[in-house]
Order: sequence, then C-alpha cells, then structure tokens
Amino acid sequence: NAGVTQTPKFRILKIGQSMTLQCTQDMNHNYMYWYRQDPGMGLKLIYYSVGAGITDKGEVPNGYNVSRSTTEDFPLRLELAAPSQTSVYFCASSPQGTNQPQHFGDGTRLSIL
Amino acid sequence: AQSVTQLDSHVSVSEGTPVLLRCNYSSSYSPSLFWYVQHPNKGLQLLLKYTSAATLVKGINGFEAEFKKSETSFHLTKPSAHMSDAAEYFCVVSAFSGSARQLTFGSGTQLTVLP
Repeated sequence: NAGVTQTPKFRILKIGQSMTLQCTQDMNHNYMYWYRQDPGMGLKLIYYSVGAGITDKGEVPNGYNVSRSTTEDFPLRLELAAPSQTSVYFCASSPQGTNQPQHFGDGTRLSIL
Repeated sequence: AQSVTQLDSHVSVSEGTPVLLRCNYSSSYSPSLFWYVQHPNKGLQLLLKYTSAATLVKGINGFEAEFKKSETSFHLTKPSAHMSDAAEYFCVVSAFSGSARQLTFGSGTQLTVLP
C-alpha cells in the first residue's frame, strides 16, 4: 500500500527559483495537509484542504501556494524561494470525520542556497 | 487556542528499562490527543490517540498513555525499552480551526536507547 507519496525526496534550490513539491495519496482521503518541520521543532501547518477545489491557510502560509484539483493530489508551490524556506516538508492526509489520525508521507528535504 | 509542551527534549534509557516521555497540553475545548513517532528520514507514524473514551490508551509496539485532565497531561510510557524504539516522539493536540480539525505539535522528544 503506497499511502502518501511525496516527490522529490531531496532538492536544492537557488534563491529566487520556483518549484512544486508533489503529494499524492491513494486512500481516498478528503483532507490533506502540508507541514514544514524546522530543526528541533514540531511541525507547523502551511496549508490544508478539505476536498477538491477547497484550500485554506494554516499557521505559516506566506511564500507558498497550493491547489487541489483532484482528491488524490495536493501540490505545494514555492514561487520565489528564500533561505527561510529551507526545511523538511511533510504532506499528510486523513479521512473526513472527527478524531481521525493523519497519515504522513516520508518528507521532502529542501535546501535554499 | 491550544498548545502542547513536551517537557524533555532528550531522554536516554537503557534497553529493557521503562520509558517515560512527558507531555502537557492546554486546550479551550475537550481535546483529542495523539502521540506520533518519527524515525530518521521518515514521516510520522501514529502510536496512539485519546478521543474522550478510556483515559488509559494503548498503542502500537507496547506503548501506552494516560490522559489526566486534572493535570492536563498525556504522558507516554512503555514498560521495557527496545533498541528499535530510538526515535523522535511528538505529542499532538487536535481541535477544530476553520473548516478542518488541525493539529498542534509539541517540539518533540528524542529518545535514545542504550545497549
């Protein structure tokens, strides 16, 4: 079972470049999430989606954009990469309903130089 | 508003001895609480969850946690540590914000298991 799949696993960008982090899930979950994890910190929510066509900001949305055209996919876009965006990015999904745990991908390690 | 405090950033135990990872929370409403584990270069895996049923929650790999409302705590325990338990552990509180249930993560506790 694939679960939540993130690509790429590693990436180095130059300041000002753009890129899209891909996330896909095969569990037919309505809810999807993007987090970033900085060293020694817990995860912080960037954006989330409760279904195709619906997205909303989390705690730290600045510098990022998302779209949700299908249930399966939830890409995260960095338009103008900045050193402060160096982090590990995790995508997660969960079923609709209260108290459902989130299922996480293995992460994308992104460095901005 | 909600928050989570993990009281120890690092815990070291010897293999075969008990594990205690401490977590305190604050929440405006009756919370749902989770413990996740993260192994190196991996995503987070759910260990267990509390959702207002039994206050003592059993999870995978022999872990359990007790919800104590009077102490606003949700400490994670295991009777006997195994080398494979070495990882980072996150305590998480869940509440509705906007249109979805969102998670607030603690800063994590790194567990080292010594042979």
